[in-house]
Amino acid sequence: AQSVTQPDIHITVSEGASLELRCNYSYGATPYLFWYVQSPGQGLQLLLKYFSGDTLVQGIKGFEAEFKRSQSSFNLRKPSVHWSDAAEYFCAVGETGRRALTFGSGTRLQVQP
Amino acid sequence: GAGVSQSPSNKVTEKGKDVELRCDPISGHTALYWYRQSLGQGLEFLIYFQGNSAPDKSGLPSDRFSAERTGGSVSTLTIQRTQQEDSAVYLCASSTGGGTGANVLTFGAGSRLTVL
Repeated sequence: AQSVTQPDIHITVSEGASLELRCNYSYGATPYLFWYVQSPGQGLQLLLKYFSGDTLVQGIKGFEAEFKRSQSSFNLRKPSVHWSDAAEYFCAVGETGRRALTFGSGTRLQVQP
Repeated sequence: GAGVSQSPSNKVTEKGKDVELRCDPISGHTALYWYRQSLGQGLEFLIYFQGNSAPDKSGLPSDRFSAERTGGSVSTLTIQRTQQEDSAVYLCASSTGGGTGANVLTFGAGSRLTVL
């Protein structure tokens, strides 16, 4: 069965600093990969997804993620964080034949002024 | 509708009572999912509906949990004889298509359940 690990429960960065949130997955074939963001009291919003092709994908709000098959990783990055980026970020994996996505436990991002 | 709508947004109940949580998916979305988000945990899959197919109930934690989807649209998640460990945010999502892991889910804002 597939699994998703987000090793960092909580990260604090200064506004304007760069950000990288880690995600590792366990799945035999090429997975479908997603990053979602959840602001307080809100549902989850899709940031970006990877299905195939170029391993560097661009998303909304200036985020990008890179699929590295050799490392089973799909890390999320942003060159300059804004205070409004403070939220919880979830990595998710989908696989062929299984309809439901498997989510990681999330990383809570705090942004310092 | 424009988005996935869930009600109630907050529900406080006493241990042992039954609760119903409602989800109204995006019009035209054939797939509907329920997830549970407990404090400090990720999202736990509960159940999946796709069109007229039999639902995938593999994530339901006990027989106190059930869900139905009427007319291929609105869904109700029912928790019978609630326990304190049922306290969580219950998230509903919908998507077009189904049967693959490539579905892009659109989530509602969730129903926060507190069992006293």
